[in-house]
Amino acid sequence: DGGITQSPKYLFRKEGQNVTLSCEQNLNHDAMYWYRQDPGQGLRLIYYSQIVNDFQKGDIAEGYSVSREKKESFPLTVTSAQKNPTAFYLCASTADRGGGNQPQHFGDGTRLSIL
Amino acid sequence: GNSVTQMEGPVTLSEEAFLTINCTYTATGYPSLFWYVQYPGEGLQLLLKATKADDKGSNKGFEATYRKETTSFHLEKGSVQVSDSAVYFCALSPQGGGSQGNLIFGKGTKLSVKP
Repeated sequence: DGGITQSPKYLFRKEGQNVTLSCEQNLNHDAMYWYRQDPGQGLRLIYYSQIVNDFQKGDIAEGYSVSREKKESFPLTVTSAQKNPTAFYLCASTADRGGGNQPQHFGDGTRLSIL
Repeated sequence: GNSVTQMEGPVTLSEEAFLTINCTYTATGYPSLFWYVQYPGEGLQLLLKATKADDKGSNKGFEATYRKETTSFHLEKGSVQVSDSAVYFCALSPQGGGSQGNLIFGKGTKLSVKP
C-alpha cells in the first residue's frame, strides 16, 4: 500500500545536538511538507518542497533545515538553534502542486523531546 | 489573510448523541475545505472534503456542507460512537492553492465519547 513513513516514532535530543527526522513517501507525490504540532495550537508549517532540489521556508523555519534530493524523501533536521524543539512533527505530501483541490496525506508523526 | 476558526473543545458526548463541530473560515474566492481526524499518537487522516460552494462531503457517517454565504463548513454526525473519540481539524486550501500549496488548519477540537 502507498503511504508516508516517518521515523523514528520517538526521538530524544541532547543539548546542542542536531537530530534528523526521516520522511519517505511512495505515493509519487511532487509536493511534501513538514508541520509542527503543539498542544492547542493546531499545525504550523515549517518547510515545504514542491519539486526535487527545491524547498521553501514556511511560517516557523528558524532552527530547522531540510533537503529534497529525491522525490520520495524529505528529511527534516532540528538544529541546536531551535531552542524549544519539543513537539510532534508531521510530514505530509500531496499530488497537488498548487491547484488546491487535492488533500494532503500524512505520516504517523515523530515525537521529539529534550533529554 | 486566510484563516480557520473552530469551536474550542473538549467536547464530551454520550454514545449515540448528535455531534456538531463548528468551523468558519476567512479566505478570498473559493477555497477547498477539508476535515481531518487525528487519533491518539497518530498522524492526520482525511475525513471528508468539499471543493466548491454547496458541495457536501461525507464519510463514515460524518457530513459537512460548504456554505459560501456563511463561510462555514460545520462537521456533523447523527450518532457518535466511542471509536469516534479523536481530535478533529478543519482546514482550507486557498483557491488556486496559494503560494505555498499547503493547508491552513484550525486549532483542532477534541471529542470524547463516553459509553
